[in-house]
Amino acid sequence: QVQLVQSGAEVKKPGASVKVSCKASGYTFTSYDINWVRQATGQGLEWMGWMNPNSGNTGYAQKFQGRVTMTRNTSISTAYMELSSLRSEDTAVYYCARGATVDVWGKGTTVTVSS
Amino acid sequence: DIQMTQSPSSLSASVGDRVTITCRASQGIRNDLGWYQQKPGKAPKRLIYAASSLQSGVPSRFSGSGSGTEFTLTISSLQPEDFATYYCLQHNSYPPTFGPGTKVDIK
Repeated sequence: QVQLVQSGAEVKKPGASVKVSCKASGYTFTSYDINWVRQATGQGLEWMGWMNPNSGNTGYAQKFQGRVTMTRNTSISTAYMELSSLRSEDTAVYYCARGATVDVWGKGTTVTVSS
Repeated sequence: DIQMTQSPSSLSASVGDRVTITCRASQGIRNDLGWYQQKPGKAPKRLIYAASSLQSGVPSRFSGSGSGTEFTLTISSLQPEDFATYYCLQHNSYPPTFGPGTKVDIK
């Protein structure tokens, strides 16, 4: 079955960077975009950006431009989201999700930013 | 960016009740809308795609309707496992945008 398996929880200090991975299985990785969505505790869902695993093309929400980088390794069907210059407001659960219609989601990766 | 609004923001209902949630887009999005259910500590799960198509494996008590700027999600007979937060998502126009969510809890 289609699955997106994300990396484990991270604790980072302000100013640091975090890189979250998302390993796809059960479908052809290069056939569907990967989106990244985050959710702060008690808050709604916030779309961060997308990546086309075939071409490597990306598109980022304006809010994250300059701080986020989405990449992939097609040989292991894995997408990555790196967020830099972390601040406390970046504490959230980060999800990867498949496709332009956002059909399948990973279970989420908790990123905590704290001094 | 297209703004998505949802109403109500929360509601209290009893098992067996019919529940309707509305999602409105700030401009027309054809039927490029999905509905998601999220339970505490879990990832969102898609219930409806293309505004009215039921995702495989989702109970038939869930239904969606609408096109253009106004959409509804209906739960025909609320079950205990349906208490959750529901979000709409438009993917017609870049960037994709979510509604703020509707929390359904027990009356």
